Amino acid sequence: QVQLVQSGGEVKKPGASVKVSCKASGYTFTNYGINWVRQAPGQGLEWMGWISAFNGNTNYAQKLQGRVTMTTDTSTSTAYMELRSLRSDDTAVYYCTRVSNDLALDPWGQGTLVTVSS
Amino acid sequence: EIVLAQSPGTLSLSPGERATLSCRASQTVSSSYLAWYQQKPGQAPRLLIYGASSRATGIPDRFSGSGSGTDFTLTISRLEPEDFAVYYCQQYDTSWTFGQGTKVEIK
Repeated sequence: QVQLVQSGGEVKKPGASVKVSCKASGYTFTNYGINWVRQAPGQGLEWMGWISAFNGNTNYAQKLQGRVTMTTDTSTSTAYMELRSLRSDDTAVYYCTRVSNDLALDPWGQGTLVTVSS
Repeated sequence: EIVLAQSPGTLSLSPGERATLSCRASQTVSSSYLAWYQQKPGQAPRLLIYGASSRATGIPDRFSGSGSGTDFTLTISRLEPEDFAVYYCQQYDTSWTFGQGTKVEIK
C-alpha cells in the first residue's frame, strides 16, 4: 500500500535548523510530487511548499521563502524538508503528503512534531 | 492567493443527523482542484473528496461533495459516531490553500 513514513519528533532552540524526512513506499516515487503542510497546536493546516520528485522543481509558500528548502533522494524514495532560523511560532506538526494527478493530497505521513523552545 | 472561508466554524449535531458544511472561495476555483479532508484528534488529515464531488478510495457514500465556482459543499447524509471530527476544504490554483476548518461535534 502507498505509505509515507516520517522521521521522529525534534526539539530545537530558536535560531536553529531542523530537517524532517519522509520515506515513500508502495508507488513509483518519481511519478508524484510531495507537499509539506504544517499545523500549529490547535490551529488549521498551512501549506508550506511542493517539490517534484521527478526533477526537483519546487514551489514554496511566500511566507517561508528563504527559510525553507525541500529536496528529494530518488535512490531511497525519500523527501526532506529543512527549515532554518527557527522561531517559537514554527512549533507545529509537520506533514508530508503525496500530490495526486488531480492535485489532491493523499496519503499523508503520520506527522512530525517540531518544538522550538529555549 | 485564493482564500477559502469555511462555515460554520462549529456544527453541533446528533448521530443520524445530516451535516452540511460550506466552503466559499475568494475567487473562482476549478472544480477539478477542490478537495475535502477529515481530521481526527492526533491523526493526520484523510482525503475524503477530490474534484469537488468524487469520493476517495474507501470513503463511505454518506459523504458527498458538490458545488462549483466559488461555493462548495460537503454533506454527510447521516452522521455516524466516527464522523465527529474537523473538516477542511482545499484548493489549488498556483499553490495550495486550505480553509480554516469546520468542527463537527456531538450535540
